[in-house]
Amino acid sequence: QKEVEQDPGPLSVPEGAIVSLNCTYSNSAFQYFMWYRQYSRKGPELLMYTYSSGNKEDGRFTAQVDKSSKYISLFIRDSQPSDSATYLCAIQGAQKLVFGQGTRLTINP
Amino acid sequence: DTGVSQDPRHKITKRGQNVTFRCDPISEHNRLYWYRQTLGQGPEFLTYFQNEAQLEKSRLLSDRFSAERPKGSFSTLEIQRTEQGDSAMYLCASSLGPGLPYNEQFFGPGTRLTVL
Repeated sequence: QKEVEQDPGPLSVPEGAIVSLNCTYSNSAFQYFMWYRQYSRKGPELLMYTYSSGNKEDGRFTAQVDKSSKYISLFIRDSQPSDSATYLCAIQGAQKLVFGQGTRLTINP
Repeated sequence: DTGVSQDPRHKITKRGQNVTFRCDPISEHNRLYWYRQTLGQGPEFLTYFQNEAQLEKSRLLSDRFSAERPKGSFSTLEIQRTEQGDSAMYLCASSLGPGLPYNEQFFGPGTRLTVL
């Protein structure tokens, strides 16, 4: 079993839709949870990080962590074509990041 | 540009050849990480440095792989006797630390390796 599981998609939605991306993880010791966005042929860039359980909002993006079920989510409101990218969830281990497989998202105009 | 830079951006080589990649981290960052990303997968950790000391290596880092950070600034990743399975994007990241509970890792654009 992988430490972090993520549905690879692909996911295609119309512009303006609410997008929900999800991951599950296995190690309950993890405390920091991240979402990275990666455009084609580029390195990942950090969107948001969350410590422990709870919600964090930044503009159109909301990150949610439920440690009891080991479930992390990213919600995108009013999705835009420029949001089209691969979204990677990541957990911070001792020093390294453990990534999910990534979900490829396309927002159709 | 003060971000993480990597060179080359793309390398094509024949099986059995040696290749070397370079990473220049953000100047004040003392931690440097290497990850490998294959098509359709998330990045996988290879190794990391605290200044010039290599503190952790993944089981993915076979004997054909070696990484250095001789002066605690830039780093090189060398792959000897390349195999087709080495074809991947090699990502470098850097962060502040230690002493911080959370270290944001900033990624470079990656070096895409194609082994023919």
